[in-house]
Amino acid sequence: NAGVMQNPRHLVRRRGQEARLRCSPMKGHSHVYWYRQLPEEGLKFMVYLQKENIIDESGMPKERFSAEFPKEGPSILRIQQVVRGDSAAYFCASSLQQVANTEAFFGQGTRLTVV
Amino acid sequence: GESVGLHLPTLSVQEGDNSIINCAYSNSASDYFIWYKQESGKGPQFIIDIRSNMDKRQGQRVTVLLNKTVKHLSLQIAATQPGDSAVYFCAEIEIQGAQKLVFGQGTRLTINP
Repeated sequence: NAGVMQNPRHLVRRRGQEARLRCSPMKGHSHVYWYRQLPEEGLKFMVYLQKENIIDESGMPKERFSAEFPKEGPSILRIQQVVRGDSAAYFCASSLQQVANTEAFFGQGTRLTVV
Repeated sequence: GESVGLHLPTLSVQEGDNSIINCAYSNSASDYFIWYKQESGKGPQFIIDIRSNMDKRQGQRVTVLLNKTVKHLSLQIAATQPGDSAVYFCAEIEIQGAQKLVFGQGTRLTINP
């Protein structure tokens, strides 16, 4: 059973371009979480999705950021018109049930660099 | 802002010694806590968890202590090994509230040979 798969591992974008980060949860997991991590800092919650539904997006910036978890395929975190401040590591986690009841497994992250 | 914080950003210990990493939290409604280990270039990895109805839980070489009175938890690693070098995060969940992990800033643990 493969773990949480994120791709690409490294992504370089010029200012103003779009970044699309993909996350394939573990098999059978329908709960997905996205986190952002700046160097030497903790992980900041962005969004929690459960198959086709956004459950909690309280950590998502109001503009330029969006997330989806379609019925088929990976979860996508989309950042439009990237700026240098978007440079960070973005981690995805998945769980079988809500995290209070089951372990959440993290992917290896996508490191976004905006030049 | 985040409700979980750590006392020390870095900690160095000699190989074979025991280490203690501390974490303070401010949300008194938090009732489930997890320690994660993050190695360089990797995602966080679950180490051990504890629920608020307990004050101590032991795993293999690791022990987590929870003091709800002062809203503090700690991670003790016994007989440290070079592979223990990593950043350690505590995270909290409010079981009846938002179903998401809230992470602290982290402590970088370095094991010296």
